Amino acid sequence: EAGVAQSPRYKIIEKRQSVAFWCNPISGHATLYWYQQILGQGPKLLIQFQNNGVVDDSQLPKDRFSAERLKGVDSTLKIQPAKLEDSAVYLCASSRTDTTTGGWGDTQYFGPGTRLTVL
Amino acid sequence: AQSVTQLDSQVPVFEEAPVELRCNYSSSVSVYLFWYVQYPNQGLQLLLKYLSGSTLVKGINGFEAEFNKSQTSFHLRKPSVHISDTAEYFCAVSMDGGFKTIFGAGTRLFVKA
Repeated sequence: EAGVAQSPRYKIIEKRQSVAFWCNPISGHATLYWYQQILGQGPKLLIQFQNNGVVDDSQLPKDRFSAERLKGVDSTLKIQPAKLEDSAVYLCASSRTDTTTGGWGDTQYFGPGTRLTVL
Repeated sequence: AQSVTQLDSQVPVFEEAPVELRCNYSSSVSVYLFWYVQYPNQGLQLLLKYLSGSTLVKGINGFEAEFNKSQTSFHLRKPSVHISDTAEYFCAVSMDGGFKTIFGAGTRLFVKA
């Protein structure tokens, strides 16, 4: 089966500009995650969708970040305006909900990521 | 609040030697535990996970991990490493009841010839 697709792979922008990332999850996966991975750190969850509803967005900086998952399939993550500290790799992952663990024991399948550099 | 600590940021080891990557977590409730691996220029992929049952979990590529509830640890082991095991390894934890998955900072395993 095809894996999680992300685009673009690399993006360089000036601070205060806007940027958008796109993710296409594995077919049939109900849950979609966006993570931010700063150099030297582990991935940090920004937002988690179950179908097209938000499960958790407690760590999403809502004054500048937004995300949507229309029709419960593809998703876009937007940053507007970007700051220097937004330089990171943005990872998208998806999972098939395991009802025996309520979804919390799901295996997440990750895309290759988008490396964002803000100058 | 849940948290994950990976005790070593880098682990250099010679080929065919054994390796242990350490992971400790903090949680007051039942947890699910994961190890993911990130090879150079690739996305993260699951090595193994503990959901319930036997505390010794076997994963892909000859890796295994042991869940120790009393020590709140989930250390990853391999008896004999290969050059191809050079990668970054992430321990992660999620909890029953609606909490997000928390990842550790990662351990970079470097296998030398």
